[in-house]
Amino acid sequence: TQTVSQSDAHVTVFEGDSVELRCNYSYGGSIYLSWYIQHHGRGLQFLLKYYSGNPVVQGVNGFEAEFSKSDSSFHLRKASVHWSDSAVYFCAAANTGGADRLTFGKGTQLIIQP
Amino acid sequence: AQTIHQWPVAEIKAVGSPLSLGCTIKGKSSPNLYWYWQATGGTLQQLFYSITVGQVESVVQLNLSASRPKDDQFILSTEKLLLSHSGFYLCAWSIDPLYFGAGTRLSVL
Repeated sequence: TQTVSQSDAHVTVFEGDSVELRCNYSYGGSIYLSWYIQHHGRGLQFLLKYYSGNPVVQGVNGFEAEFSKSDSSFHLRKASVHWSDSAVYFCAAANTGGADRLTFGKGTQLIIQP
Repeated sequence: AQTIHQWPVAEIKAVGSPLSLGCTIKGKSSPNLYWYWQATGGTLQQLFYSITVGQVESVVQLNLSASRPKDDQFILSTEKLLLSHSGFYLCAWSIDPLYFGAGTRLSVL
């Protein structure tokens, strides 16, 4: 069974702190990984993706993620969070190398304290 | 620039009543289109996808149906709503990555 696991339902940090949101996957073969952000009551917005090449990928608004085949992980990081980063973050994966068959994790709510 | 518009923004419906949700894509010809459902506080589940007019594939059976009457339009519907249909419905288009609409909040009472 192909799964995407986000072990933290909630992460709380202070504004200006660094943060890492964890994502682990269980897939065989080539994998396509991505992160999306959902602000309260809104649709999802794409942050970044990985399919091949450099395992560290840069996204919008200072986010980056690192692919690790040995750890089956694709963790999302940001060096210094802003209050506007408060949202739910979804990790998603697919085998096809594209977005057609994305499986989403359960999401991690990032809470930024002032 | 491409835009994706979903309607209505929110619906409150009675169990057993019909439902029709819509999605329109502008600025992109022949997009791949998707319907996702999100339970309150939950993850997203792909319901349907379509790669061309008149052709829709069902991914999950939830007593819902979808149609693509025009290249830029994707409709989600049912004749009889269930309580379990409550949630947030998101339309998306893609080459890669997915671009989502703002969603429709559905409450079934």
